[in-house]
Amino acid sequence: EAGVTQFPSHSVIEKGQTVTLRCDPISGHDNLYWYRRVMGKEIKFLLHFVKESKQDESGMPNNRFLAERTGGTYSTLKVQPAELEDSGVYFCASGYSTTGELFFGEGSRLTVL
Amino acid sequence: GNSVTQMEGPVTLSEEAFLTINCTYTATGYPSLFWYVQYPGEGLQLLLKATKADDKGSNKGFEATYRKETTSFHLEKGSVQVSDSAVYFCALSDRPGGFKTIFGAGTRLFVKA
Repeated sequence: EAGVTQFPSHSVIEKGQTVTLRCDPISGHDNLYWYRRVMGKEIKFLLHFVKESKQDESGMPNNRFLAERTGGTYSTLKVQPAELEDSGVYFCASGYSTTGELFFGEGSRLTVL
Repeated sequence: GNSVTQMEGPVTLSEEAFLTINCTYTATGYPSLFWYVQYPGEGLQLLLKATKADDKGSNKGFEATYRKETTSFHLEKGSVQVSDSAVYFCALSDRPGGFKTIFGAGTRLFVKA
C-alpha cells in the first residue's frame, strides 16, 4: 500500500513568489490534514479536510494560504505571496475517521529567501 | 486550549542506556495520546498510542503509560540502540470535535555507539 506522498520535497523561493505544495493521501482515507513545523518548534495544525470539505481551518495563519482538495483525493496548499516567516516543513497526513491515528508524508521543506 | 509539553532536547545517550522523555498534556475531556517518531530523512510515523487512562502503549521496546492523575505520557525504553536516534513527538488527539492532533515541540535523541 502506497503511503502519503508529498511534492516537492524541498522548494526554495524568493519573498513575494508563489509556491504550491501537493499531497496525495493514502487511498481510502477521507481525512486529510496539513501541519507545519517552523524552526524546530512544535508541529502546528493548519487545517483538516473530510473528503473535499474543509472541516477545520482554524490553524491557517492568514489569507495568503489557500488549501484545496479536489474531488476528495489529493490536496494542494498554495502560499501567495510567500513571506520569510512561511519557511518551514509542511507535513501532510491522512487517516481514517475512527482511529485518530495519522499517517504522515515525508514533508515539503519550504525556504523563503 | 489543549496543549502538549515535552522535555527539550537534544538528549544524548550511550547505547544500552535507559531512556525517558517526559511529556505532559493539558486537555479537556479524554484525549487519545500518541508518540510519533521521525527518523532522519523520513516522515513522522506512529510509535505507540493509548486511548484511555492507565492504558500502556508499547512498540519496538518503547513504552508509555497514560496517567490521567498527573496528565503525563512519558516515553521510556530500557536499552536504546543507535538506530533509535530520531526526533520523538508527543501528541494528543481530542474527540469529539474531530481529530485535530496537537503535537509537542519534539525531542531529538542521539544514541552513541
